[in-house]
Amino acid sequence: NAGVMQNPRHLVRRRGQEARLRCSPMKGHSHVYWYRQLPEEGLKFMVYLQKENIIDESGMPKERFSAEFPKEGPSILRIQQVVRGDSAAYFCASSSGSNGGETQYFGPGTRLLVL
Amino acid sequence: DAKTTQPNSMESNEEEPVHLPCNHSTISGTDYIHWYRQLPSQGPEYVIHGLTSNVNNRMASLAIAEDRKSSTLILHRATLRDAAVYYCILRISGTYKYIFGTGTRLKVLA
Repeated sequence: NAGVMQNPRHLVRRRGQEARLRCSPMKGHSHVYWYRQLPEEGLKFMVYLQKENIIDESGMPKERFSAEFPKEGPSILRIQQVVRGDSAAYFCASSSGSNGGETQYFGPGTRLLVL
Repeated sequence: DAKTTQPNSMESNEEEPVHLPCNHSTISGTDYIHWYRQLPSQGPEYVIHGLTSNVNNRMASLAIAEDRKSSTLILHRATLRDAAVYYCILRISGTYKYIFGTGTRLKVLA
C-alpha cells in the first residue's frame, strides 16, 4: 500500500548543473501535480500532468524548468542550469481524478540545495 | 485565486481539544474545503475535506458555517504528534489546483 514516492529525498547541485526529481504516484492514480515550497512559505502549484500529457504548466518558470509523465515510469521534474534561487522543497502529489472532490496525496518531497 | 485566512500560530495543551479557524469569504457554492497538515521536513498530509455538511473522520472533525464563509478544524484531543502547520485550502469546483496559504502553526504543550 505504497503512497506517493519521491526520490531523491535530498539533492545537492552546484550552480549550472541539472537537477532531476522523480515522482511515482500512488497505485491506481494517473494524475500528478508538482508543487514548490520555499522556506517558511506555503506550497505553490507548478504543473499538472496526466500520462503523456501536460495539462497545466501555468506555475512553471518559463525557462529551465520542464516536466514529463511518460507512459511507463515515474514523472520527472527537470531543472536545467540550476541557480541558488531554485533551492527549495519540491513536492509531488497524485490523485485518481481532477474535476470533483478527489483528494491529492503528497509525497515526502525532494529538498534541493544549490551551492 | 481563492483565498483563505488563518491565524499564524496557535497553542494547545496536550489532551485538550483544539479548534483551528479558517475564513474563506470568497467561497462559491461548489468549492470544496480541504485541510492538510505538514509536519517538519515532511509532505502535506491529508486531514479532512467537506462541502456543506460537517464531517468527521478518525483524525478530526470539520465544522462548516451555514453560510460556508468559514470553517473550523477540530482535533478532539491534541497530542504532541499533532504539532504541525495546518493548511486550510479551497478547492475550486472543476479545477485541480490547491492554493496554499501560510497556514497555522500549532504548538502542543506537554
